[in-house]
Amino acid sequence: DQQVKQNSPSLSVQEGRISILNCDYTNSMFDYFLWYKKYPAEGPTFLISISSIKDKNEDGRFTVFLNKSAKHLSLHIVPSQPGDSAVYFCAANNAGNNRKLIWGLGTSLAVNP
Amino acid sequence: NAGVTQTPKFQVLKTGQSMTLQCAQDMNHNSMYWYRQDPGMGLRLIYYSASEGTTDKGEVPNGYNVSRLNKREFSLRLESAAPSQTSVYFCAIIVLRRSVYGYTFGSGTRLTVV
Repeated sequence: DQQVKQNSPSLSVQEGRISILNCDYTNSMFDYFLWYKKYPAEGPTFLISISSIKDKNEDGRFTVFLNKSAKHLSLHIVPSQPGDSAVYFCAANNAGNNRKLIWGLGTSLAVNP
Repeated sequence: NAGVTQTPKFQVLKTGQSMTLQCAQDMNHNSMYWYRQDPGMGLRLIYYSASEGTTDKGEVPNGYNVSRLNKREFSLRLESAAPSQTSVYFCAIIVLRRSVYGYTFGSGTRLTVV
């Protein structure tokens, strides 16, 4: 059973517009969430995170929103750039799980010039 | 991916051959992880090691063995490779960033079993 779900396998956006990547989870014990970005032939790299005690975290063009009642989080990229084209993974963890992250299947973002 | 080094970057094996994937970290972290990534399957945990000398199974341990002989190195061994083990393998360590634990990954090993 997938505890972290990214229901959109792919997303295509025009350069300069907003990209919104969604992630849903089922385990209310998760206490923080992370987004990773992955380019082909490279390992995933950390992008941004949010603690369950917050509802928003912003870092430059990247903002993550958390709606705990809906068990939903989203990553907003504004403005989107062609270099943002990559696979984005949502991950979640609870402190009692030996710090093993639970991963979504990823969303492939294409930003078109 | 500074701090986590994986070797080799590419490997082609014949069915039944064995090999060891190497991972080394220079960040003095206790926890290390081996993942495989397959199209449409996301990242799946094979084995992890919470500290030197300890290892535990993840989601997909069958067909693999691991060894954590020291704090720096965590190796993944395929004793008898199968085509189903064709994948990209990532080693990771856990790091603390702004009070949140996350992973730093190596650049991956692309393995093809024919």
